[in-house]
Parts: sequence; structure tokens; C-alpha cells
Amino acid sequence: AQSVAQPEDQVNVAEGNPLTVKCTYSVSGNPYLFWYVQYPNRGLQFLLKYITGDNLVKGSYGFEAEFNKSQTSFHLKKPSALVSDSALYFCAVRALERGYALNFGKGTSLLVTP
Amino acid sequence: DSGVTQTPKHLITATGQRVTLRCSPRSGDLSVYWYQQSLDQGLQFLIQYYNGEERAKGNILERFSAQQFPDLHSELNLSSLELGDSALYFCASSEGATSLFYEQYFGPGTRLTVT
Repeated sequence: AQSVAQPEDQVNVAEGNPLTVKCTYSVSGNPYLFWYVQYPNRGLQFLLKYITGDNLVKGSYGFEAEFNKSQTSFHLKKPSALVSDSALYFCAVRALERGYALNFGKGTSLLVTP
Repeated sequence: DSGVTQTPKHLITATGQRVTLRCSPRSGDLSVYWYQQSLDQGLQFLIQYYNGEERAKGNILERFSAQQFPDLHSELNLSSLELGDSALYFCASSEGATSLFYEQYFGPGTRLTVT
């Protein structure tokens, strides 16, 4: 089965510093990977996806993600964090065995302090 | 705003009852997915419909069922409710049925509380 793991429950970073939220994947075949963000009492918002091509994927709100095949990782990054980036971040992989639904990681809570 | 709407926003009901959650996908999207988010289980895929037909099932209980209507809105029916069914239920939509490439757009969710 296709799965992702987010090893950190919480990431703390100071405003203005770079941030990284980690994700590793386990798939059979090619991985189709996604990042979503969830703000309190809101639905999930799509940030970016990796399907094929460049290993560095650029997304919404200044976020980017680096796909690394040898390390089976898809880490989310941002060069300079904002307090408003504080939210819950989910990595997801296309579940080929389930009609192309998404299998999500457990989520990482990002806290950016002023 | 993702363009996916869900009603109601909140629902409080008692054990043993039945509820219906409603979802309208983004304009033009034919696929609807239902997910459940709870503290202990995280985000789990329940079921997918494409253009009125069931396409895939995930961890959906037999007490739960769904359908998609000709106007493409979808309803998730939860019956014989238990305390453990308390969760946030999300609907998502995407363009295609089986495309690897399309991202899913999520609604704001329905928070179900079973007392």
C-alpha cells in the first residue's frame, strides 16, 4: 500500500527563519505526492504536488518541496517563515489501490513564533 | 474558498440516531471523495463517487453509506451512530475519476458530535 510518514508531531521556528516539515514515503511504483495545510476550523488547502519532473516543486504561499528519490522523502520548505504559516500540515500520497484517493500522514503542527 | 460546499457545519446528535451530510463539489468536478478526520485515526478515506457511481471504498463502516446525485452533489449517511463516530467529515472533489495528476479540493467540513 502507498503510505507517507511525518516523523514530527510539531515543528517550532522563529519568524523569518527557514522552515522544513518532513515527509517520507513508501510506494510501489512511481510516487504521486501532495502537501496540504489546515488552518484551525478550516478545510484542507492544497499547497503543491509532485507528479514527475523537477525535484523542486514550487507551490502556494511561498512554499516549495524537495523530492528525493534515494531518500524517499518529500520535505516541505519555506525560506522565511511567517507567523501566519502556523497551521497543521499534511503530506499525502495517491492511493492507487483506492481509486486514486489520498493516503495522508498524521500531520505536523507548525508553530511560528514572532 | 475551494468552491466545495458542505452542510451543515456542525451537527450534534445522540447515539443510535441517523444523520445525513451534504456536499456540493466544485463546478465541473465529477469526482467526490469523503474523508473522516479524528484525533485517534487521523484523516481517513471513506468512499469515492464519480459521476453518480461508486468508484472506490476505503475504511467505511457498514453503518455508513453515500450516494451521488445527477446534479453531482453527494450525501453521506451515517446510521446507528456511536460515540466513536464523532469526527470532522470532509468532502473533496476533483476533475477526473482515475487521474493521478489532479489534486483534490476540500470543503470546510462537517463537525459531528455524538452524545
